[in-house]
Amino acid sequence: QQPVQSPQAVILREGEDAVINCSSSKALYSVHWYRQKHGEAPVFLMILLKGGEQKGHEKISASFNEKKQQSSLYLTASQLSYSGTYFCGTDMEYGNKLVFGAGTILRVKS
Amino acid sequence: DVKVTQSSRYLVKRTGEKVFLECVQDMDHENMFWYRQDPGLGLRLIYFSYDVKMKEKGDIPEGYSVSREKKERFSLILESASTNQTSMYLCASSLWRLAGGPGELFFGEGSRLTVL
Repeated sequence: QQPVQSPQAVILREGEDAVINCSSSKALYSVHWYRQKHGEAPVFLMILLKGGEQKGHEKISASFNEKKQQSSLYLTASQLSYSGTYFCGTDMEYGNKLVFGAGTILRVKS
Repeated sequence: DVKVTQSSRYLVKRTGEKVFLECVQDMDHENMFWYRQDPGLGLRLIYFSYDVKMKEKGDIPEGYSVSREKKERFSLILESASTNQTSMYLCASSLWRLAGGPGELFFGEGSRLTVL
């Protein structure tokens, strides 16, 4: 029931862009995105609701395609501070469980 | 600021012991969650609660139980700890969204449990 994230890991140089994908085999109501730095708790980035919306957070934005049951997180002009593990969390309509994927490790090098 | 406090950062227990992990939040959130985090497996939901005394199983409830007697406190109980329960345990809380479903989750710092 966990959503599937891809890629599992990505290494970037500062200034490069990255896309992290999250897909589910079940119909989704919303998608959450979180970032966890090493040794710290996950921190909320954004929520996307069904309706194909896009949201932004600094140079990080995301889209949600409910027909395809998938979401993508876009990191533009990456900075060293973007390094960490990114998790997507999904819940189904009228449900209240939030289920996370296995995570994508992002490392930004100078 | 919302604060989610987990009682112990590090615990070492022996196989068969009963283990209590405590979590307290200070923002009157309805929802509280327990996840375990293991390398390569991400965050897996053990149990969650949407109100006092209400609980629902997550994806991996076997070997665990929970208690929510007060709104601010959510306890995870390992009745008889086993070595495969060695893990990082994360507690989180959230409000309901107006449109339904959990809002932003606020996580605690985690409790790293080692079962010998």
